[in-house]
Amino acid sequence: SAVISQKPSRDICQRGTSLTIQCQVDSQVTMMFWYRQQPGQSLTLIATANQGSEATYESGFVIDKFPISRPNLTFSTLTVSNMSPEDSSIYLCSVPLGLASYNEQFFGPGTRLTVL
Amino acid sequence: AQSVAQPEDQVKVAEGNPLTVKCTYSVSGNPYLFWYVQYPNRGLQFLLKYITGDNLVKGSYGFEAEFNKSQTSFHLKKPSALVSDSALYFCAVRDEGSARQLTFGSGTQLTVLP
Repeated sequence: SAVISQKPSRDICQRGTSLTIQCQVDSQVTMMFWYRQQPGQSLTLIATANQGSEATYESGFVIDKFPISRPNLTFSTLTVSNMSPEDSSIYLCSVPLGLASYNEQFFGPGTRLTVL
Repeated sequence: AQSVAQPEDQVKVAEGNPLTVKCTYSVSGNPYLFWYVQYPNRGLQFLLKYITGDNLVKGSYGFEAEFNKSQTSFHLKKPSALVSDSALYFCAVRDEGSARQLTFGSGTQLTVLP
């Protein structure tokens, strides 16, 4: 298993500002994933962050809005830029147990973002 | 394409009664199926998964799930519910032959009544 921590756990931000969310894993992992969970909704994958290369974004998500850094194998950040109330969500980072496609993923506790 | 459906937004059961949370899936190839639980203000916790083999999979906290290929279902079950089982449950699928990551269902809020 993996122990994943996220900072901050929650924040209330003003429209037009940006917030950077940190994700720290207790072991080295090749892939890290960022998900968004809008209120009352399921999880939607934002992007996959690989160390040493640019993140791969899912349809509907762009780098200018959600820039991601992956400086090493245990850490990643997701920035939510130029926020609007529609960005109010829980943001979760996740890592797979291994590289095989049948492996489960582990999730951080999430960052609850409210945009006013 | 891969997708998963959880037809019930909410399930309520009395403590001590059996519970079932339903999940159906759609994939092109063979499915890898997962159940996760989310307690309030916490991240998702992995419960169990189906890869291949025995259709009845046992997981954490006394939960089990039954894979049914003909009905493309993977229902989560527990013989005797506890109030502490009250949480949000997500089913997820990944196509064996796909490089895509997990696709999650919409979630089912389980309430166990004392």
